[in-house]
Amino acid sequence: GAVVSQHPSWVICKSGTSVKIECRSLDFQATTMFWYRQFPKQSLMLMATSNEGSKATYEQGVEKDKFLINHASLTLSTLTVTSAHPEDSSFYICSASRGFKETQYFGPGTRLLVL
Amino acid sequence: QKEVEQNSGPLSVPEGAIASLNCTYSDRGSQSFFWYRQYSGKSPELIMFIYSNGDKEDGRFTAQLNKASQYVSLLIRDSQPSDSATYLCAVTSGATNKLIFGTGTLLAVQP
Repeated sequence: GAVVSQHPSWVICKSGTSVKIECRSLDFQATTMFWYRQFPKQSLMLMATSNEGSKATYEQGVEKDKFLINHASLTLSTLTVTSAHPEDSSFYICSASRGFKETQYFGPGTRLLVL
Repeated sequence: QKEVEQNSGPLSVPEGAIASLNCTYSDRGSQSFFWYRQYSGKSPELIMFIYSNGDKEDGRFTAQLNKASQYVSLLIRDSQPSDSATYLCAVTSGATNKLIFGTGTLLAVQP
C-alpha cells in the first residue's frame, strides 16, 4: 500500500497565530514530500518540495519564512503556517513519494480557516 | 498557454455510457502522466498513470497517451454515478518530479 495521513484534518485559528500541519507516510518511506494548496474551484498549486534531511525547495511566489517546512524523517514532514491571515485560508494537501520520479500519493488534506 | 489544459466541463453522461476526458500539455519533455479523481472537499486519489505512447487499461479505466500530439485521455467505461467527480490530469516535466495539474474536468454521471 501507499497510505499518507495528515493531521489535523480541520483547523480554525485566529489571525496572527501559527498552525502546524503534519504529513505522514504510514506504510512506506518517503524520500520526497510535496506540499500543495488548493483554493475553491481551483486546481492544486505546488508550494514546495521537501527531501528528507534537506531544506525545502519553494515555488516562485511562496514565502519560505511564512510557510516553514521540515522533513526530519522518511515518514514525517510538517508545514507550519506562521502568523496566519485570512487569505491563508485554504485546503492544504501533502503528497509523498518513494523516490525521484516515483508516483506521488496524496494525504487527505487539511482545511485551514483563519478568522 | 497553460502548461496542462483540460475542459472544465461539466461533462454529463448517462449511467452505463463511456466518459471521455481529455488533456493537453505544453512541455514536450514531459515523461509521466497521471489521472487523479477528486471528490468535492477531498484530496486527489490516483486512478492511473501512463509513461508510454498507446493505451493502458485498468478495469473500467483506459488511459491513452500520444506524445507527438501532446495529448492524454482517460476513458471510463460503464460509467456509474459514483464516478461523478472532478478528474485531474497531471504531468511531470523534464528532470523534476513536480506534478503540474490541469484545472480538472467535472464529470457528472446521470442515473
